[in-house]
Amino acid sequence: NAGVMQNPRHLVRRRGQEARLRCSPMKGHSHVYWYRQLPEEGLKFMVYLQKENIIDESGMPKERFSAEFPKEGPSILRIQQVVRGDSAAYFCASSLEDRDETQYFGPGTRLLVL
Amino acid sequence: AQRVTQPEKLLSVFKGAPVELKCNYSYSGSPELFWYVQYSRQRLQLLLRHISRESIKGFTADLNKGETSFHLKKPFAQEEDSAMYYCALKARGSTLGRLYFGRGTQLTVWP
Repeated sequence: NAGVMQNPRHLVRRRGQEARLRCSPMKGHSHVYWYRQLPEEGLKFMVYLQKENIIDESGMPKERFSAEFPKEGPSILRIQQVVRGDSAAYFCASSLEDRDETQYFGPGTRLLVL
Repeated sequence: AQRVTQPEKLLSVFKGAPVELKCNYSYSGSPELFWYVQYSRQRLQLLLRHISRESIKGFTADLNKGETSFHLKKPFAQEEDSAMYYCALKARGSTLGRLYFGRGTQLTVWP
């Protein structure tokens, strides 16, 4: 099992551009979580998705940010019209259904907005 | 509101010395506590969770509800323990699996 995959690992965008971050969960995992880590801070929850459903997006900024986890393919975190304050490390985690709630993390995507 | 506090940003000890990484939390319900570790150039990985009551790589952590703490301890630190350690909280029994993280403690074990 290759573990949680995220790509790209590093992403550079200019202000106003769009950023798309991808997360492929571990095989068999249908729960995906996105976290953001600003410099010198801990990880902050953004959104929790199951296949085709957003379960909890209470940590997501109301504007410019969206997430999806389609039936086929990876989960996508999309940031429109990026600003410098969006520069951060974005981590994805996945977990199995049912009882195993351990979250397994991907390596993260480092977004730099110029 | 849920909050996890790791008061030490940096912690240094010599090899063979005991180490304790502090974690305090605030949560009105029944929490589930975790320690995650991130070694250099590696991804965040689960070290231990309080409900398992296990020792991993010589580390233990006991949930103290009276003091709302979940400190991570190891009696004899090793150089390979140098890493970033994050304490995290989840609402036990919640169907929403979000974790609340502390800001992390960078542990350095000197030879």
